Amino acid sequence: GQQVMQIPQYQHVQEGEDFTTYCNSSTTLSNIQWYKQRPGGHPVFLIQLVKSGEVKKQKRLTFQFGEAKKNSSLHITATQTTDVGTYFCAGPPSGTYKYIFGTGTRLKVLA
Amino acid sequence: EAGVTQSPTHLIKTRGQQATLRCSPISGHTSVYWYQQALGLGLQFLLWYDEGEERNRGNFPPRFSGRQFPNYSSELNVNALELEDSALYLCASLRGPTYEQYFGPGTRLTVT
Repeated sequence: GQQVMQIPQYQHVQEGEDFTTYCNSSTTLSNIQWYKQRPGGHPVFLIQLVKSGEVKKQKRLTFQFGEAKKNSSLHITATQTTDVGTYFCAGPPSGTYKYIFGTGTRLKVLA
Repeated sequence: EAGVTQSPTHLIKTRGQQATLRCSPISGHTSVYWYQQALGLGLQFLLWYDEGEERNRGNFPPRFSGRQFPNYSSELNVNALELEDSALYLCASLRGPTYEQYFGPGTRLTVT
């Protein structure tokens, strides 16, 4: 079946270090969305990328959508304790609106 | 604007019973997605409703069903509950299926 894998599954970083999570889909996606879920909370929308090769920045966060629209990455520069949470990518296979969520990367930031 | 609301917050049922979960989307949003999130795991797509119609469903048995009302609120029904149905059920509200998803706080269903 269609799968979206994320690596790493867990990441512990010292505050101030950089962090990257990678998202890989088994099928081409129409778009990619990124969400952050704090412990005990619900997913919160971060950004959506639609075009092949697209790059978007939000302050310390940089998002990329691969040329083949099958992979994506989220990079956080100089992590802060407020960045703690699980980051999910999600996207619908081309031609559908059935969103498949990635397996998630849980980030812990040590002060 | 008010966010997505879900009720109840917690629901405890015994195996074999039925559960009904409710979701009210953001005003103006016509699409509702339902997801199941087992403890510590990712989100599994359950159902998508748009403009009152079921548009797509995930790989779940038919005992998972739902509907969307004329005011775009939605209901998820789970029949013949099994222990493995214990999870957080999240609904998401969208202006349309190509837009960002706004999640509700979820309903924690526990089946004993």
